[in-house]
Amino acid sequence: QVQLGESGGGLVKPGGSLRLSCTVSGFTLSDSYMSWIRQAPGKGLEWVSHISLNGRVTYYADSVKGRFIISKDTARNSLDLQMSSLRAEDTAVYFCARHTFGPDAFDIWGHGTLVTVSS
Amino acid sequence: EVVMTQSPATLSVSPGDTATLSCRASQSVNRKLAWYQQKPGQAPRLLIYDASARATGVPARFSGSGSGTEFTLTINSLRSEDFAVYFCQQYSVWPPWTFGHGTKVEI
Repeated sequence: QVQLGESGGGLVKPGGSLRLSCTVSGFTLSDSYMSWIRQAPGKGLEWVSHISLNGRVTYYADSVKGRFIISKDTARNSLDLQMSSLRAEDTAVYFCARHTFGPDAFDIWGHGTLVTVSS
Repeated sequence: EVVMTQSPATLSVSPGDTATLSCRASQSVNRKLAWYQQKPGQAPRLLIYDASARATGVPARFSGSGSGTEFTLTINSLRSEDFAVYFCQQYSVWPPWTFGHGTKVEI
């Protein structure tokens, strides 16, 4: 069964760091374009970061550029998001999602992991 | 960045009704438009891609139409499980991949 499962969320102080992981099952990470998408409490969806099939091409939203790093660990079949210099406005549920055929719509989503940035 | 605007913000309907949701793009996205359904506490679920193609397992009462800058999601014969928030998303001009702010379909 095709599934995604995020982990690593929690409470962190402003300026702190956190690493999110997304474990993949039922398909091969290296065959898929992947993204992280977040949703602040009571708000809409915001795309955060994207990584290509081989992991060599990455994109970031302006709001996180220079602070977040996306990566694929094909050995662990895991998608990671290293977040640093966290701000209150980064507070959100973070979803990992698989793009459908190319870098397009998102057909498979994880359940999400909550990141709270607060002192 | 392509800005996606959804209307209305809230749609009040009754079971059995037809719901019509709109999504407008700030520039043409051709037919590279998806619709998602999200229920409280759950991840979004892909309903429609390429403006009108239903994703696997999506009931036929959900249909999408449009191209360019104007898109519509129609839900026929609304059922209780259809009351949720619906988002549109474009994937024509990226990055960033952009979403609308959502339409809440409520009873």
